[in-house]
Amino acid sequence: DIVMTQSPDSLAVSLGERATINCKSSQSVLYSSNNKNYLAWYQQKPGQPPKLLIYWASTRESGVPDRFSGSGSGTDFTLTISNLQAEDVTVYYCQQYYSTPFTFGQGTRLEI
Amino acid sequence: EVQLVESGGGLVKPGGSLRLSCAASGFTFSDAWMTWVRQAPGKGLEWVGRIKNKDNGETTDYAEAVKGRFTISRDDSKDTLFLQMNSLKTEDTGVYYCVTHHGWFGPWGQGTLVTVSS
Repeated sequence: DIVMTQSPDSLAVSLGERATINCKSSQSVLYSSNNKNYLAWYQQKPGQPPKLLIYWASTRESGVPDRFSGSGSGTDFTLTISNLQAEDVTVYYCQQYYSTPFTFGQGTRLEI
Repeated sequence: EVQLVESGGGLVKPGGSLRLSCAASGFTFSDAWMTWVRQAPGKGLEWVGRIKNKDNGETTDYAEAVKGRFTISRDDSKDTLFLQMNSLKTEDTGVYYCVTHHGWFGPWGQGTLVTVSS
């Protein structure tokens, strides 16, 4: 199984600043035949289902503000939230869809 | 607009069974691959299993923790996804989400709560 490890577990941030969340996979999720990283990011607010933010490691889902960006390749990935807004202060998960079982990181909680 | 509405959750004793349903609308359900994801109270996300579409043989895959106990099926004539859960354990407690599967997951349903307790 591919183990996904996020860091940090929690992150104190200030409104208007930049937040950076890291995600590391135990093996590469880059598929060489199409040069795509099988990595997604989700946001989950309390009492709600997760919401897809990013797929293919860096492609923003339709409707997601451009202050959210994803980067990285192979085994190391980053979710960056620029100009942090109050509604962004919640929990974020990375997930690999390179192989079953599909696995998530443990989550990173943003705090003010 | 894509809508996924789960139902069938509730309280069940260890060793019992439960069948969850997910009614889909707003997209061509028969073309879609579908997944179940669960979340224990206060915990992270855990993939439960996936079913491919008919063109791909309705093939299923499961997490090791549920293999042999849970079964995913679909009724394309009713745009409905199912999760049959047998031999339930206390650690199966959580919110179960029905999700469209593109490799990545989304959109998600609101979830249905399953509580396994004596």
